[in-house]
Amino acid sequence: DADVTQTPRNRITKTGKRIMLECSQTKGHDRMYWYRQDPGLGLRLIYYSFDVKDINKGEISDGYSVSRQAQAKFSLSLESAIPNQTALYFCATREQGDAGELFFGEGSRLTVL
Amino acid sequence: DAKTTQPTSMDCAEGRAANLPCNHSTISGNEYVYWYRQIHSQGPQYIIHGLKNNETNEMASLIITEDRKSSTLILPHATLRDTAVYYCIVRVLDSSYKLIFGSGTRLLVRP
Repeated sequence: DADVTQTPRNRITKTGKRIMLECSQTKGHDRMYWYRQDPGLGLRLIYYSFDVKDINKGEISDGYSVSRQAQAKFSLSLESAIPNQTALYFCATREQGDAGELFFGEGSRLTVL
Repeated sequence: DAKTTQPTSMDCAEGRAANLPCNHSTISGNEYVYWYRQIHSQGPQYIIHGLKNNETNEMASLIITEDRKSSTLILPHATLRDTAVYYCIVRVLDSSYKLIFGSGTRLLVRP
């Protein structure tokens, strides 16, 4: 099983619908992240969390919200999806400390019609 | 975090070394250089990072110039499975750990 699991892997929805992308990890890491990837734009940070009581906005948090339900779970919500939120979304985790690597999930492809 | 500049695409022959350059001329003294890669649309994979000394691990080597304004990622014996987009990132080792990914270099390894 993957260390970082994202669900759903693919989702097609309509404008105005509420969508939740879920992420769970078995690595025991405190720090979790949500990124969005658009063609030609690399990855951009949406939100990140250092523990269940510590949520921080990234560079493109508008239109998104998150919930850290437990150390192992970090969900990303689109309250009212719009077409320009069509993208590939990645969850990532890492251990405490300032260096080290990010471990990414396999991604959730979201299409908003 | 400092901005990085990478070539849009490169190619190399299988079995040969792949040398991927990165320019980070505005890097600060406390910023590290990180490299990640992404194969097709999979999640990005960490490769290596360093501050000013050259670094080597089982995947690659990282060569940082003395003035730290540029670096090169070296894959010593590229294989077809190394075909991917390679991202060079610079960041301060603070508690926020925000990685700002740019557009990266698309490396094609030819048979």
